[in-house]
Amino acid sequence: DQQVKQNSPSLSVQEGRISILNCDYTNSMFDYFLWYKKYPAEGPTFLISISSIKDKNEDGRFTVFLNKSAKHLSLHIVPSQPGDSAVYFCAASASSGTYKYIFGTGTRLKVLA
Amino acid sequence: AAGVIQSPRHLIKEKRETATLKCYPIPRHDTVYWYQQGPGQDPQFLISFYEKMQSDKGSIPDRFSAQQFSDYHSELNMSSLELGDSALYFCASSLLSDTQYFGPGTRLTVL
Repeated sequence: DQQVKQNSPSLSVQEGRISILNCDYTNSMFDYFLWYKKYPAEGPTFLISISSIKDKNEDGRFTVFLNKSAKHLSLHIVPSQPGDSAVYFCAASASSGTYKYIFGTGTRLKVLA
Repeated sequence: AAGVIQSPRHLIKEKRETATLKCYPIPRHDTVYWYQQGPGQDPQFLISFYEKMQSDKGSIPDRFSAQQFSDYHSELNMSSLELGDSALYFCASSLLSDTQYFGPGTRLTVL
């Protein structure tokens, strides 16, 4: 049972355009969400997070939006750069638990120059 | 800034052998998490430790055990290795409930 889903396994975007990566979750106990970026042969690198008390968090080119009623979050990257090409995982945790992360299946983003 | 250190980075073992993976958390982090990522899959939580005590357990086989030592480093011990144990093993550390920071991973190949 996949509690965190990323329905798009891959995405291609032109350099300079917006990349939008989506993530859906099923567990209403999740209250903390993160996006990680992963290059081959490296560990996931933290990008941005959002707590359930917010609906938006912005950090430079990265913005995460949270729609609690729809159990949906998205990551916007503007403008997209070739160096952004990687696999992006969304992850969720519940503060009522022990903070372990439940990961989505990942979306491979390719930014075309 | 210091990051999470994992050793070894690559490990090749044969079936039924044992393996020990090590994780050194970011200084002052008190919580360590272990995740397993199989080929083409998402990272799956295995086990976590807070202040040297096991805090949570996920889909970790009984053949695996782990502990956190007094210096907060953690070791994942894997026995009777099977082909299906071939995966990337990530360790992450955090300050209690704060953001988890991941190490580079250990790639285990079981032949």
